[in-house]
Amino acid sequence: KQEVTQIPAALSVPEGENLVLNCSFTDSAIYNLQWFRQDPGKGLTSLLLIQSSQREQTSGRLNASLDKSSGRSTLYIAASQPGDSATYLCAGAPGGATNKLIFGTGTLLAVQP
Amino acid sequence: DGGITQSPKYLFRKEGQNVTLSCEQNLNHDAMYWYRQDPGQGLRLIYYSQIVNDFQKGDIAEGYSVSREKKESFPLTVTSAQKNPTAFYLCASSRYNSPLHFGNGTRLTVT
Repeated sequence: KQEVTQIPAALSVPEGENLVLNCSFTDSAIYNLQWFRQDPGKGLTSLLLIQSSQREQTSGRLNASLDKSSGRSTLYIAASQPGDSATYLCAGAPGGATNKLIFGTGTLLAVQP
Repeated sequence: DGGITQSPKYLFRKEGQNVTLSCEQNLNHDAMYWYRQDPGQGLRLIYYSQIVNDFQKGDIAEGYSVSREKKESFPLTVTSAQKNPTAFYLCASSRYNSPLHFGNGTRLTVT
């Protein structure tokens, strides 16, 4: 059964620091790897989607990459800001079931001003 | 503005009662999903629908039911058969191979 691990579970950094969040899947056959942000009591906001034919995606200060051989993804946040404080979740579709995303438990990020 | 609307934001019910959570989208997305989120756990898929009048069970469908009579709407009923219904419920929609868009969730408390 596909499982997703996110490391670290929580992270506190000073403003301006660059940081990396990690996500790993027990089965490396992952499709449509997505990173989301969740603010307390809210729904999820999609940040980046890495489709099957891609290895990374960038949006502003965010960069996500996927190593398909190991089933690991990283989310890089440059020059962190207090507004980046949130829970970050990764999700992927195992095998060909592209509609059935499996989610990690998230990394709670706090950026201190 | 396009988006997904979930209502109500908070819902309280007595044990043994069925309750229906609303999810409406105006994004013209074909696929819609229901997830459940519990503290310390990732989101778990309850049901999903790829087209009107068709839906599939997710990983934790027991005790839940859905309908998809219109493209815009995908209501979820939490029945009395669901043993632990208290949770945060999230609805999402997407086009094929595109990012999921989520609503702001309904927090259901059953006592």
